[in-house]
Amino acid sequence: QVRLQQSGPGLVKPSQTLLLTCAISGDSVSSNNACWNWIRQSPSRGLEWLGRTYYRSKWYNEYAVSVKSRIIINPDTSENQFSLQLNSVTPEDTALYYCARGIDFDSWGQGTLVTVS
Amino acid sequence: QTVVTQEPSLTVSPGGTVTLTCASSTGAVTSGHYPAWFQQKPGQAPRALVYSTTDKHSWTPARFSGSLLGGKAALTLSGVQPEDEAEYYCLVYYGGGWVFGGGTKLTVL
Repeated sequence: QVRLQQSGPGLVKPSQTLLLTCAISGDSVSSNNACWNWIRQSPSRGLEWLGRTYYRSKWYNEYAVSVKSRIIINPDTSENQFSLQLNSVTPEDTALYYCARGIDFDSWGQGTLVTVS
Repeated sequence: QTVVTQEPSLTVSPGGTVTLTCASSTGAVTSGHYPAWFQQKPGQAPRALVYSTTDKHSWTPARFSGSLLGGKAALTLSGVQPEDEAEYYCLVYYGGGWVFGGGTKLTVL
């Protein structure tokens, strides 16, 4: 059974960098069959897919157009986890952030409420 | 920016059947968009129900089914139960990224 455990600060100041981590158990971040996603949810923007990383003989990243200039998703094979880095945050980035596995999104982290203030 | 549109709200009687749809601003939704469906109840993370148009997860009740209907992705609930009252979201792939619909609030009344 796959479990995703999120960690990271719940409060970030405007213009600073949001950094969250998603630790994986029961699967490998380097799996050739999986993708690793970040998603957020807010009352104003609803559910929003932010991006993903995946390994298919080499690493690939895909990002949503809305955040493409500010986002980095990094795999960490030594710790079997992946991270979300969102730069230059504004109050509009206040949301509940989730990590999720796969193209079928079958496993989700517990969610991290991040407030930009 | 691509917009995915769902019915904002639907109401169904217990035991009834209801179909939720998911439309794309770029044209017809096809199997190549790998549409997926999620259920979310208050205070919980979304739970995946259907992926790749019709495929179900092991935990998805048999009364849920996914399809393509008139150029849209569709989620049909047959024999609705009170516990099916929730927000439902579709998710569509556009070659390089995914876009969520705005959600349908399903009321069982």
